[in-house]
Amino acid sequence: KAGVTQTPRYLIKTRGQQVTLSCSPISGHRSVSWYQQTPGQGLQFLFEYFSETQRNKGNFPGRFSGRQFSNSRSEMNVSTLELGDSALYLCASSSLGGETQYFGPGTRLLVL
Amino acid sequence: QQQVKQSPQSLIVQKGGISIINCAYENTAFDYFPWYQQFPGKGPALLIAIRPDVSEKKEGRFTISFNKSAKQFSLHIMDSQPGDSATYFCAALTSSASKIIFGSGTRLSIRP
Repeated sequence: KAGVTQTPRYLIKTRGQQVTLSCSPISGHRSVSWYQQTPGQGLQFLFEYFSETQRNKGNFPGRFSGRQFSNSRSEMNVSTLELGDSALYLCASSSLGGETQYFGPGTRLLVL
Repeated sequence: QQQVKQSPQSLIVQKGGISIINCAYENTAFDYFPWYQQFPGKGPALLIAIRPDVSEKKEGRFTISFNKSAKQFSLHIMDSQPGDSATYFCAALTSSASKIIFGSGTRLSIRP
């Protein structure tokens, strides 16, 4: 079974731009969660989608948004990028949206 | 109350030794406590997990000890090997919420 895939793996943007990251969960998994990883703040939960509905949300500004499609693939969008948005963005999938979450390799975003 | 505190921040252990990483939590609603292992350039991978009704769980060289009354849990890596060198994250969540709260991470180095 293929693991969680994320595209692109690396991205460079400038302040003020917007970016869209993509995540394909493990086949059959309906829950997709997004996390931000930075050296200073560690791993922080962004949001979770289950069956195309946002089920949980972390403490991030509205510039961070996401969505999930009927095939469970998910996208995350960050608008009006700031330097502090530079991070590794990780996607995780699980079958029923619970405990055992499988992480992708992440998308490393650099904002200049 | 949502925090999970992890120590130490970094740890150096001789090959064959025991590596011990400690975590503490405050929210008694947490009912699932996983440990993740992360290698550079990779996403976190689930290593082992425990529920609060069990005081210890062992899988191979990895053991979780759990103290519910003290709200503490720890990871023990027996016979530590150079291949165990990675960053380890303790975590906690309520299984109904699927939002993982991560500790700050421990960078483990095993000296040959």
